[in-house]
Amino acid sequence: AQSVTQPDIHITVSEGASLELRCNYSYGATPYLFWYVQSPGQGLQLLLKYFSGDTLVQGIKGFEAEFKRSQSSFNLRKPSVHWSDAAEYFCAVGAHTGNQFYFGTGTSLTVIP
Amino acid sequence: DAGITQSPRHKVTETGTPVTLRCHQTENHRYMYWYRQDPGHGLRLIHYSYGVKDTDKGEVSDGYSVSRSKTEDFLLTLESATSSQTSVYFCAIRGTSGKQSYEQYFGPGTRLTVT
Repeated sequence: AQSVTQPDIHITVSEGASLELRCNYSYGATPYLFWYVQSPGQGLQLLLKYFSGDTLVQGIKGFEAEFKRSQSSFNLRKPSVHWSDAAEYFCAVGAHTGNQFYFGTGTSLTVIP
Repeated sequence: DAGITQSPRHKVTETGTPVTLRCHQTENHRYMYWYRQDPGHGLRLIHYSYGVKDTDKGEVSDGYSVSRSKTEDFLLTLESATSSQTSVYFCAIRGTSGKQSYEQYFGPGTRLTVT
């Protein structure tokens, strides 16, 4: 069965500190992997995606993520967090051959001054 | 931003009444999706469409129906709303060619409260 796990429900970091949000997936086919960000009361915005090739992908707003097939992980990172990064982050997986996408339950990020 | 609108943006309705939510796109994308978002559950797929009059169920389709009579519109209907359907509903679209294939773009959401 397809699933996405985001083990951290909530994370608090200080402004300027580094950030890593975890994502693990279970998927039978070759996965497409995504990270989305949602600000309060807003829709979801695509941060970055992995389809194939280089396992380290760069996204918008200074975010990056690394695909590790051996660990079934796609963790999101940012070297220095800004107060405006406070939001909810969702990891999602889809398949090369499928039409559906599966989302994790999200990680809420709080940034303290 | 992808051209996706949802209407209404907010709705309060009573248990047992029918409700229809509309998703409209200007991107001419083939795929359209309806999700619901609930605390602790993330986004869960209700139904999706892969073309005009072509739809399929997602993981939480019970109590919902959809219709797509033209490319730009995807309607979600709650035949008889229940309190468990109180949620935020998101529409998404996806292209099928080029670099944007498999990328979903989301609408602003509809907050539905069933009393």
